[in-house]
This record gives sequence, structure tokens and C-alpha cells, in this order.
Amino acid sequence: LAKTTQPISMDSYEGQEVNITCSHNNIATNDYITWYQQFPSQGPRFIIQGYKTKVTNEVASLFIPADRKSSTLSLPRVSLSDTAVYYCLVGLSLYSSASKIIFGSGTRLSIRP
Amino acid sequence: DSGVTQTPKHLITATGQRVTLRCSPRSGDLSVYWYQQSLDQGLQFLIQYYNGEERAKGNILERFSAQQFPDLHSELNLSSLELGDSALYFCASSAYDRGRVDTQYFGPGTRLTVL
Repeated sequence: LAKTTQPISMDSYEGQEVNITCSHNNIATNDYITWYQQFPSQGPRFIIQGYKTKVTNEVASLFIPADRKSSTLSLPRVSLSDTAVYYCLVGLSLYSSASKIIFGSGTRLSIRP
Repeated sequence: DSGVTQTPKHLITATGQRVTLRCSPRSGDLSVYWYQQSLDQGLQFLIQYYNGEERAKGNILERFSAQQFPDLHSELNLSSLELGDSALYFCASSAYDRGRVDTQYFGPGTRLTVL
């Protein structure tokens, strides 16, 4: 069972870079790491996904060390609209049953002016 | 907009009643997932369907059932409703193609209130 551990909450300010780290010590060989963002009363929104090293898209970067036991979501120059809950998921590969997906409590990110 | 649609957006009903939530996946996606999110809780995986067949089961109560139809839309049926069933119910879809990572895209959810 791919369990993840994230900080419950984080605070930052507009314009800063925010890094949210997730630990997943028992990640399986075929597991991918996926991050979702959720605003209140809305469905989670896919942010980024990776397997190893570094992945970057127009929204964020994902850093995964060689042992893959943790990952860091990096949000460059955050704004007030980045205030949301961020979930780290491990799994979602074709080799993992969906029944083992656990969203957890996520990290509640608050951005201040 | 994820491309996943869910109806209705809001649903208010009484204990003991039965309701049906509907989900239309993104165009081309064969897999549908259902999740429950209670107030200030994480998302709990309920069930997954792939091309009409049940694929995986999570913490779904026996009072709940789902199906996926030939046109790939899915319905989640909740019966003998209890106060504790009040929650947001999300549907997600994915391509679930062999050789690809299973990225899920979520709908806007249905807020169920049981009085």
C-alpha cells in the first residue's frame, strides 16, 4: 500500500517559491507520483506527474530523487489563487489497482498578500 | 474544465431515500472512478469501471452501487440514505490505455445533502 506523508499546512507570500515535500517510503517500482490541486467544493485538478528526476510544465516542477522515496512539488512565484489543498499520490500506474489509491489529507497551502 | 461532467450539481433528499448520480467521462476515456469526500476529509475511492466492467473496489458501502453503460457514462446509486452519506461525490475518468500512466481527470462533483 503506497502511503504518502505530507505537511498538513503551509503558509507563504505572493511572489515566493513554494516547495511541498511528500514522502513515500514504500513506493513500488512501477508507481508514478502525481500531484493534484483542489479548491473548496471543486474536483481535484491534475498538476503534474513524474517517475524520476525532474519534470516541469507550465504550472509547476516536480523533483524526484534517485531513491524515489520522496518528491517535491515546486510552485514558482505563487499568487493568492494558489491557495488550495495539494495532494500527493503514488500509484496510478496500469500495474496498480485503483483500490490502493489513497489521497490522504493533503497539504493546505495558504498564500498571503 | 476537465471535460468530465456530473449531474446534478446539488441534491437534497431525506434519510431512507435513494438517489442516482450521473457522470460523463472525457471523450475517449474508458475508465470511470467514483470518490466520496466528506466535510474537510480527503477523497475516499469508492469504485472503478473500465469499459463497462467493474475494475477495482474501494470503501464502497453495500447500500451503494454503480454501473457503466455502453456509451461509457456511469451512474452511482445510493440507497437507504443516512445523514452520514452527506458529502461531495466526485467522478473521475482516465484513458487507462495499456502502456500509459493512468492520469485521472475529475468532474466538478455532486453535493449530496441528506436531511
